Amino acid sequence: DQQVKQNSPSLSVQEGRISILNCDYTNSMFDYFLWYKKYPAEGPTFLISISSIKDKNEDGRFTVFLNKSAKHLSLHIVPSQPGDSAVYFCAASASNFGNEKLTFGTGTRLTIIP
Amino acid sequence: DTEVTQTPKHLVMGMTNKKSLKCEQHMGHRAMYWYKQKAKKPPELMFVYSYEKLSINESVPSRFSPECPNSSLLNLHLHALQPEDSALYLCASSQRRGGGDTQYFGPGTRLTVL
Repeated sequence: DQQVKQNSPSLSVQEGRISILNCDYTNSMFDYFLWYKKYPAEGPTFLISISSIKDKNEDGRFTVFLNKSAKHLSLHIVPSQPGDSAVYFCAASASNFGNEKLTFGTGTRLTIIP
Repeated sequence: DTEVTQTPKHLVMGMTNKKSLKCEQHMGHRAMYWYKQKAKKPPELMFVYSYEKLSINESVPSRFSPECPNSSLLNLHLHALQPEDSALYLCASSQRRGGGDTQYFGPGTRLTVL
């Protein structure tokens, strides 16, 4: 049972435009959500997170939106840059379980076209 | 500083060998994690240490043996592995605080079992 889903395995965006990556979850106990960026053969790099008490969090070019009623979150990157080309994973955890266990989505490969 | 270090970067071992992976963090984090990641898949949780005690073992085979000598160090002892255990092994750490807890990942050890 895939509790966190990223339905788009890949996405291509022109440099300078907005990249929007989507993530859906099914477990209503999740209350903390994160986005990681990963290059091949490297560890995931933390980008941005959001708690379920918020619906938006912004950090520089990265903004995460959370829609709890739809169990949906999205990551907006604007403007997109060539260095943003990577695989992006969303992840979720539940404070009832100490936030120890991260459940990852299957990832979306983002390609920024110069 | 959000650095988690892992050694070695690459490891090739035979099925009869015994080897160890090492992970270190100096951020004062009180939780440390081992993950396994296969190509084109999300990271899979293996073990969690919280305050130097094993808190989660995701039914990992006994040929993988974790050890947490102190709050900054985490080892993964490997013995009698199988070729299907070849993967990227990731270490992560987090503050282990209430509410949202962000995990920071190391660069990983690429393990090949012959």
